[in-house]
Amino acid sequence: DAKTTQPPSMDCAEGRAANLPCNHSTISGNEYVYWYRQIHSQGPQYIIHGLKNNETNEMASLIITEDRKSSTLILPHATLRDTAVYYCIVRLITTSGTYKYIFGTGTRLKVLA
Amino acid sequence: DTEVTQTPKHLVMGMTNKKSLKCEQHMGHRAMYWYKQKAKKPPELMFVYSYEKLSINESVPSRFSPECPNSSLLNLHLHALQPEDSALYLCASSQDPSTNYGYTFGSGTRLTVV
Repeated sequence: DAKTTQPPSMDCAEGRAANLPCNHSTISGNEYVYWYRQIHSQGPQYIIHGLKNNETNEMASLIITEDRKSSTLILPHATLRDTAVYYCIVRLITTSGTYKYIFGTGTRLKVLA
Repeated sequence: DTEVTQTPKHLVMGMTNKKSLKCEQHMGHRAMYWYKQKAKKPPELMFVYSYEKLSINESVPSRFSPECPNSSLLNLHLHALQPEDSALYLCASSQDPSTNYGYTFGSGTRLTVV
């Protein structure tokens, strides 16, 4: 059901940029891409979302390719506290017109000291 | 208030017990969600409430019964659960069902069925 694929795990050195890729090759023209992260045993935390333009906020940047089939979440200066599972989500619309998130398997990012 | 509050944080129940999970938000959000998460797996959608009405039931067994008494409160009533129902139960809310803005998740209730 999930419309996204991500690498299962990545390591990143503390202070370096973490670049997390996501493939969403079946995305439709008006579907947004969302990124969340989940730190161990907590609820998922919203990071950023975008449609086709690149987006930046205080947490991260989101780069979406021109064909919208893939995106990259960038944490510019990773810290140990960024160690988490990162989920890339494309929101689905049901036949009844209701939207829902279907989580993919996510990328387990480990930031190394 | 920008939080979704879930109670209790931990719950242990027997297979013949009846218990309820509670979720509360005071952000004026009109869509609320229940997700179930097993260890080392992504969250799985269970139910979606839109303006206090159930709009999505992802074929969840009837031993799970959701309730939305008002726009701020979402309950999940549990009855005759099985050990395999042990999981982290997450509640989330959003401005409305079609908003492009993100969801706010609670910290979850960790349920153990014995």
